[in-house]
Amino acid sequence: GNSVTQMEGPVTLSEEAFLTINCTYTATGYPSLFWYVQYPGEGLQLLLKATKADDKGSNKGFEATYRKETTSFHLEKGSVQVSDSAVYFCALGKSGGYQKVTFGTGTKLQVIP
Amino acid sequence: DVKVTQSSRYLVKRTGEKVFLECVQDMDHENMFWYRQDPGLGLRLIYFSYDVKMKEKGDIPEGYSVSREKKERFSLILESASTNQTSMYLCASSYQGGAYEQYFGPGTRLTVT
Repeated sequence: GNSVTQMEGPVTLSEEAFLTINCTYTATGYPSLFWYVQYPGEGLQLLLKATKADDKGSNKGFEATYRKETTSFHLEKGSVQVSDSAVYFCALGKSGGYQKVTFGTGTKLQVIP
Repeated sequence: DVKVTQSSRYLVKRTGEKVFLECVQDMDHENMFWYRQDPGLGLRLIYFSYDVKMKEKGDIPEGYSVSREKKERFSLILESASTNQTSMYLCASSYQGGAYEQYFGPGTRLTVT
């Protein structure tokens, strides 16, 4: 079946540091890939997405590239801010199942000033 | 903006009580979902619905039921609450034809004592 594996947290970085959160997936065919973010006390919200191989999703300075050859969708940001502190979820959507989405376990990011 | 609202942010119930969690979306989405979120386990799908009065079991439906009498409203029911159902419950909705992007409510933190 479909699965998503992302690096365990928490990840603690100083402000302006470079961020990478690794995500790999298992799925047949060509899933869509997502990064969602959950700020403290809130529900999840979509951060970025990519729907086919080699697509790059980007938003708010975050980027992720859909790599089919390595089945990966790593999240990166060049310079993190305290306001980026949140939990980040990698996810995949696969056709043929009423648009169910499979989520990773989440990676907590804490950015310190 | 898409808005998904949940009836309560925090709820405390006793073991054996019947519990209703309500979710309402205002964007005419066909699909609606109920997840529970637990530390280290990420999001797990309980039930989803792709149309009024239609429902499908997710990955962990045991101990839960759902109701969708109107397109905008999706209810999660715990027939007899147990302590192992203490969790964060998240509702989400999506378009039928979208690339699986889901819109989430703020969550209900349920404690069963």
